[in-house]
Amino acid sequence: NAGVTQTPKFQVLKTGQSMTLQCAQDMNHNSMYWYRQDPGMGLRLIYYSASEGTTDKGEVPNGYNVSRLNKREFSLRLESAAPSQTSVYFCASLGPTYGYTFGSGTRLTVV
Amino acid sequence: QKEVEQNSGPLSVPEGAIASLNCTYSDRGSQSFFWYRQYSGKSPELIMFIYSNGDKEDGRFTAQLNKASQYVSLLIRDSQPSDSATYLCAVRDDSWGKFQFGAGTQVVVTP
Repeated sequence: NAGVTQTPKFQVLKTGQSMTLQCAQDMNHNSMYWYRQDPGMGLRLIYYSASEGTTDKGEVPNGYNVSRLNKREFSLRLESAAPSQTSVYFCASLGPTYGYTFGSGTRLTVV
Repeated sequence: QKEVEQNSGPLSVPEGAIASLNCTYSDRGSQSFFWYRQYSGKSPELIMFIYSNGDKEDGRFTAQLNKASQYVSLLIRDSQPSDSATYLCAVRDDSWGKFQFGAGTQVVVTP
């Protein structure tokens, strides 16, 4: 039982390049989330999907897009990466009663 | 803007002592409160959640909630070097499962 799987674990991009972060969960959870974590700022919500077929903006959505491909998969896309998007990205899913289960994270550096 | 505030630390605690972590939140309507532990370079993992005023104990951890004062705390008894980590306070924001996170308190347990 893998929980939440994120790929890749590390990535270096040049400014203007695009990439997609992949996330999949095998817990049959309806809701999935993308957060970024920056030093001193805690986790900030980028986008979320409360259920299959729906997506909504969080606190810091600019520069990102998402796709809820099916119940298991929720991807985050950076269309034109900027240095300000250098961060650690976490995908999470939410079960019926408790808190999030997080993926292992993606460390992204934009140069 | 809803806020969750924590002292950033580091909180230095002798091995075997009690570590006391504090968290305040701005949204008086919040109902669900969570504590996550995050080791350096790892993803957050849920250690406690509390919904009702008062204390909730789980092993060496005790969460305390005072909704009137908008205050939630975490006590770690008999602190061990393995407790050295950053502890994130999180408040569930709404019915869509969005959370507000504090920036975290770093705890260092010294032998």
